Amino acid sequence: DVKVTQSSRYLVKRTGEKVFLECVQDMDHENMFWYRQDPGLGLRLIYFSYDVKMKEKGDIPEGYSVSREKKERFSLILESASTNQTSMYLCASPPANKVGTEAFFGQGTRLTVV
Amino acid sequence: GENVEQHPSTLSVQEGDSAVIKCTYSDSASNYFPWYKQELGKGPQLIIDIRSNVGEKKDQRIAVTLNKTAKHFSLHITETQPEDSAVYFCAASSKGFQKLVFGTGTRLLVSP
Repeated sequence: DVKVTQSSRYLVKRTGEKVFLECVQDMDHENMFWYRQDPGLGLRLIYFSYDVKMKEKGDIPEGYSVSREKKERFSLILESASTNQTSMYLCASPPANKVGTEAFFGQGTRLTVV
Repeated sequence: GENVEQHPSTLSVQEGDSAVIKCTYSDSASNYFPWYKQELGKGPQLIIDIRSNVGEKKDQRIAVTLNKTAKHFSLHITETQPEDSAVYFCAASSKGFQKLVFGTGTRLLVSP
């Protein structure tokens, strides 16, 4: 019954490292999203993709990039990790062009940058 | 852009009591209002949603109300149970999921 899978539940990385967070969905959806979740701030959109090799910036893209080489996989990249990127990262995948249809979230990746 | 405020940030109730979480939004063009429940160690899961052409929607013990004039919407949980304990997020959008703006979350604790 798995729909959206994030490759790691917990990650600890050092400042300056390049970090890859992977998300895979098995629903054949075009849309995929990356959020970060911080206490008191809710979920904030980092990047989203509505097709292979397509990407758009969300509300807080600074310090991040993404890659969508295959339809089922959407990667979030921290080019040079910093301590202020310590957070919970959530991937989501809603069906395209269907307002009101459930978007399935992955279980989250808790990243700590030391 | 859209701004969604959510209150309270934490809510403690006794089992069997009702719980109410309130959200306000700023963009009058918003027309879709989902509520997500996030249990410990899991991603958010949609529990109920409402569109702007409806004032109220119920699903068993959960209901959502929408006041478009005042730009606020609320989640009501009746006969709360310990398994209702979770973080709840409201959200609002005018243009589909990519324009969904989330509230800051409410941690609900239901004590037996």
